[in-house]
Amino acid sequence: NAGVTQTPKFQVLKTGQSMTLQCAQDMNHEYMSWYRQDPGMGLRLIHYSVGAGITDQGEVPNGYNVSRSTTEDFPLRLLSAAPSQTSVYFCASSYQDSHSGANVLTFGAGSRLTVL
Amino acid sequence: GQNIDQPTEMTATEGAIVQINCTYQTSGFNGLFWYQQHAGEAPTFLSYNVLDGLEEKGRFSSFLSRSKGYSYLLLKELQMKDSASYLCAVLDSNYQLIWGAGTKLIIKP
Repeated sequence: NAGVTQTPKFQVLKTGQSMTLQCAQDMNHEYMSWYRQDPGMGLRLIHYSVGAGITDQGEVPNGYNVSRSTTEDFPLRLLSAAPSQTSVYFCASSYQDSHSGANVLTFGAGSRLTVL
Repeated sequence: GQNIDQPTEMTATEGAIVQINCTYQTSGFNGLFWYQQHAGEAPTFLSYNVLDGLEEKGRFSSFLSRSKGYSYLLLKELQMKDSASYLCAVLDSNYQLIWGAGTKLIIKP
C-alpha cells in the first residue's frame, strides 16, 4: 500500500512552459484534491474530485487543469507556467478516520515547483 | 471573510508542555482539524473536534469551544521529534476546509 504518490518531487520551469504533476493513490479513495502551500499562508485548494469523471474548482483554480479518468489518478496540469505558480504542491485523498468518523486527508510527499 | 489565526512561531523545552491556540471566524462550522507537518514533508492528521470539549490521544490533546471560535492543541512531555509546524483547519458550512498558516514549534533541549 503505497498511499498517495506524487511525481516529480522537484521541478524548475521557465515562464510559459507547461507541465503535469502526477498523483496516484492505491487506497480506492473517491475524493482527491490538489493544494498549493506558500510561505505565511494556509493551504489553498486548487481543484478537487469526488470520483472518476467528476472534477470541480477550488479556491485558486486559474492556470491549472485537472482530469480524473480513473479512481487512482488525478494529474494537475499547468498550461503556461508563471512565476506566481512557484509553490509546493500537495495531492491528497480522503479517508474516514475510524476513531472520530471524520473525513481525513492523507497527503502525498509534495512537489516543489519553481518557475523562472 | 473567513479567517483562521494561529501564532506564527513558538518555542518550548524538551519534556515540557506547550499549548498552540487557534481562533477562527468562518461561515458555519462542521469540525476542526489539527495536522502536523515536519519541514519538507507532507501534513499528517493529528486530531478532529466537532463537539465542545477535550479529545485526548496519547501525548496530544485538542480542545474546542464553538461559542468562542477557539481551539487549542496541547502537547505534553515534549520530544525533539515534535519540532514541526502545526496546522489548524476548519470545515465550513459548505464542507470546504479553511486552513490556518500554521504554527512552527521549536523544541530546545
